[in-house]
Amino acid sequence: EPEVTQTPSHQVTQMGQEVILRCVPISNHLYFYWYRQILGQKVEFLVSFYNNEISEKSEIFDDQFSVERPDGSNFTLKIRSTKLEDSAMYFCASWSLAGGLTDTQYFGPGTRLTVL
Amino acid sequence: AQSVTQLGSHVSVSEGALVLLRCNYSSSVPPYLFWYVQYPNQGLQLLLKYTTGATLVKGINGFEAEFKKSETSFHLTKPSAHMSDAAEYFCAVSRTGGGGADGLTFGKGTHLIIQP
Repeated sequence: EPEVTQTPSHQVTQMGQEVILRCVPISNHLYFYWYRQILGQKVEFLVSFYNNEISEKSEIFDDQFSVERPDGSNFTLKIRSTKLEDSAMYFCASWSLAGGLTDTQYFGPGTRLTVL
Repeated sequence: AQSVTQLGSHVSVSEGALVLLRCNYSSSVPPYLFWYVQYPNQGLQLLLKYTTGATLVKGINGFEAEFKKSETSFHLTKPSAHMSDAAEYFCAVSRTGGGGADGLTFGKGTHLIIQP
């Protein structure tokens, strides 16, 4: 079964550094998403991306965040200058536009970001 | 605005016993409701979803959930717990069918523990 993959599984960085989290969505999917989950808190929507532009973003997704689809397979989340509070699990998801029970978002395993 | 409340961050049941995981939602529009499961070191996997029509929804692995509008609830049940059901379970709500520009709004999750 096709799956969403994410790399790295764990990223440790120093405060103020830039990080790029990578995702490979399912190949025929057209919508892409990033979510995050701070330890002990809810999974929170960050941004959705379609046709090479942001469709919707939450209030969390401020100017320090950006997303990009640099080629036909990867989807990235960049955090420009990391803060301690950016430490979280980041999930990528994709959606196919197909109908039925499969009409939902498929999630990757997540990248755990630790900011020191 | 939408929100999801999952009662009980941890639920422990004996193998073979009934599983009941509670979810209440708040939505200003008719909601689409989801249950996801996360096994260790894996992504979020869809268990079932409610869009329209029949209020009792059956999903994978013997789970089902009932949409009760009057109670704004979407509790997840399974008649007989199995050791393999031990995982984190997330309830989520969306304004749309789980795709499109909209992100999913998640609850905090419930960790299901199965006692032998």
